[in-house]
Amino acid sequence: EADIYQTPRYLVIGTGKKITLECSQTMGHDKMYWYQQDPGMELHLIHYSYGVNSTEKGDLSSESTVSRIRTEHFPLTLESARPSHTSQYLCASSEPKTGGWYNSPLHFGNGTRLTVT
Amino acid sequence: DQQVKQNSPSLSVQEGRISILNCDYTNSMFDYFLWYKKYPAEGPTFLISISSIKDKNEDGRFTVFLNKSAKHLSLHIVPSQPGDSAVYFCAASEGFNKFYFGSGTKLNVKP
Repeated sequence: EADIYQTPRYLVIGTGKKITLECSQTMGHDKMYWYQQDPGMELHLIHYSYGVNSTEKGDLSSESTVSRIRTEHFPLTLESARPSHTSQYLCASSEPKTGGWYNSPLHFGNGTRLTVT
Repeated sequence: DQQVKQNSPSLSVQEGRISILNCDYTNSMFDYFLWYKKYPAEGPTFLISISSIKDKNEDGRFTVFLNKSAKHLSLHIVPSQPGDSAVYFCAASEGFNKFYFGSGTKLNVKP
């Protein structure tokens, strides 16, 4: 079972502040993801990484940025928070598929509930 | 355009009875499907998966059925327990690519 940690769990911050949401996993997974989810809505992929120094934007346009300098760490940064950024942010990772034809399940952290006032 | 849809936002079931959660998808290239369970203020927890070469996969009280011709996926929980009350998400992927999620169904199991 994957261990994936997100901090902080809850964050209330004023407009214009810079914030970084932390995500770390201890399983050595190459693939990591950031999803954004609002109540009653689907999870939207905003960033993903297939390994160190690899980052890609997801389907949902986001003003956030990510970095992947170490395998276990995948932080997400908002340079200037706005009320429209209020949401739950979920980090996930998945193990590499050695052989076989199908994907591997995503393992999620507990999320960060961000409120921008 | 949403490629994975869960058309029932909520479902209420009596304890001990069967819960059936449904999911439809539009992309015929999807070959791997999953169900997740999510409690408030927590991340989704993986429940069960199925690949496109199967039409049924069972794990304890949870069974997932796949109907490829109808592009339909369902999760059966038997018997339902109050602790099963949560939001359930279905997800799908093609090959080793990213997952697409439905909007979730909130299950309430009444004691």
